[in-house]
Amino acid sequence: DQQVKQNSPSLSVQEGRISILNCDYTNSMFDYFLWYKKYPAEGPTFLISISSIKDKNEDGRFTVFLNKSAKHLSLHIVPSQPGDSAVYFCAASEDQGGKLIFGQGTELSVKP
Amino acid sequence: DAGVTQSPTHLIKTRGQQVTLRCSPKSGHDTVSWYQQALGQGPQFIFQYYEEEERQRGNFPDRFSGHQFPNYSSELNVNALLLGDSALYLCASSLRGPEAFFGQGTRLTVV
Repeated sequence: DQQVKQNSPSLSVQEGRISILNCDYTNSMFDYFLWYKKYPAEGPTFLISISSIKDKNEDGRFTVFLNKSAKHLSLHIVPSQPGDSAVYFCAASEDQGGKLIFGQGTELSVKP
Repeated sequence: DAGVTQSPTHLIKTRGQQVTLRCSPKSGHDTVSWYQQALGQGPQFIFQYYEEEERQRGNFPDRFSGHQFPNYSSELNVNALLLGDSALYLCASSLRGPEAFFGQGTRLTVV
């Protein structure tokens, strides 16, 4: 039972353009949503989070949008840079500090 | 300020053996969670420790056990290793908020 899904295994974007990574979830009890970036041979690095009471959160080049009615969230990276090339995971939690349920990841490739 | 550190980074074990993985949380963090990441998959929650007690547990058999020490560091123990236990094991620490910070992981190979 995959509660968090990232349906695109890979995404390729030109440097300077916008990258949009998508994530869907099924559990309406999720209250917190997070995005992580992972390079090979490293652990996931926290990028940005959003709580269910908001529909948008921004941090520099990264913006997360949450559509609760559609049970969908997305991560926008503008402008995309080659150093952004990595695997991106979305994760969800029912409570602060509780277990995280991860999607399968989307591999982003930003080409110069 | 050291982040989350895990040891060892790589490990090879034989089927049936037992293994212990170690984790030191980020300074000031009191909650430690363990995740298993198989190739091509997202991390899967194993369990979480807070105040030296297991607070939450994922869908993993009893062969997976853990411990948290008074200094908040933690161990993950896996008994009777199976080939399917080969994975990247990640430790994450947190403090009250939803954000968890991960270590670099321990790559376990069971042969």
